[in-house]
Amino acid sequence: QSALTQPASVSGSPGQSITISCAGASSNVGSYNLVSWYQQHPGKVPKLMIYEVGKRPSGVSNRFSGSKSGNTASLTISGLQAEDEADYYCCSYAGTNTLVFGGGTKLTVL
Amino acid sequence: QLQLQESGPRLVKPSETLSLTCTVSGGSISTTNYYWGWIRQPPGKGLEWIGSIYYSGRSYYNPSLKSRVTISVDTSKNQCSLRLNSVTAADTAVYYCARDAVPGGSVDYWGQGTLVTVSS
Repeated sequence: QSALTQPASVSGSPGQSITISCAGASSNVGSYNLVSWYQQHPGKVPKLMIYEVGKRPSGVSNRFSGSKSGNTASLTISGLQAEDEADYYCCSYAGTNTLVFGGGTKLTVL
Repeated sequence: QLQLQESGPRLVKPSETLSLTCTVSGGSISTTNYYWGWIRQPPGKGLEWIGSIYYSGRSYYNPSLKSRVTISVDTSKNQCSLRLNSVTAADTAVYYCARDAVPGGSVDYWGQGTLVTVSS
């Protein structure tokens, strides 16, 4: 069960939009619309930001959106704000009730 | 408000067994809509799914850890537990208890996490 592949880091200026990719395989991302994204600030607990590819939990800003094409999922953050600076992890259902996470992406707001 | 709280030894010796318990409050672990699981994060590294369990007792594990992991549930105590055998320094991590919505992949509640260090 290989981890999903994310860029180690991305950056953007306040107000800009950024996209974080999450490359998987046909056995996970490509086969199920069960991709989620988590935000983790330093020393804090991860927070669910997106589930089932593009759905937002109650209370999550609509600046966060998710999508999927083939074996790759993406998280887009629009109108970047300083508080968005954090680590972001993707996660996918991988069949037989198992999950796999990506390696994480550090977002820097310049 | 649902709360998950991990408890257990913070220091484990190499080759021994890591044991943690997750106590769920503010809701029932005996629900048809959720799995209860464990996720870990080594210091400075990413998240790794360890496994999860349904209230019925059916459990599921990360293939890379399956030979060493056991997750169990005690519905009378509203708890689930993790046992990881034959630990090494590579098992040093923050261990999170978490709730995952069926069919899977939507971890919406997390415990605060507990750092377990494997060292002699």
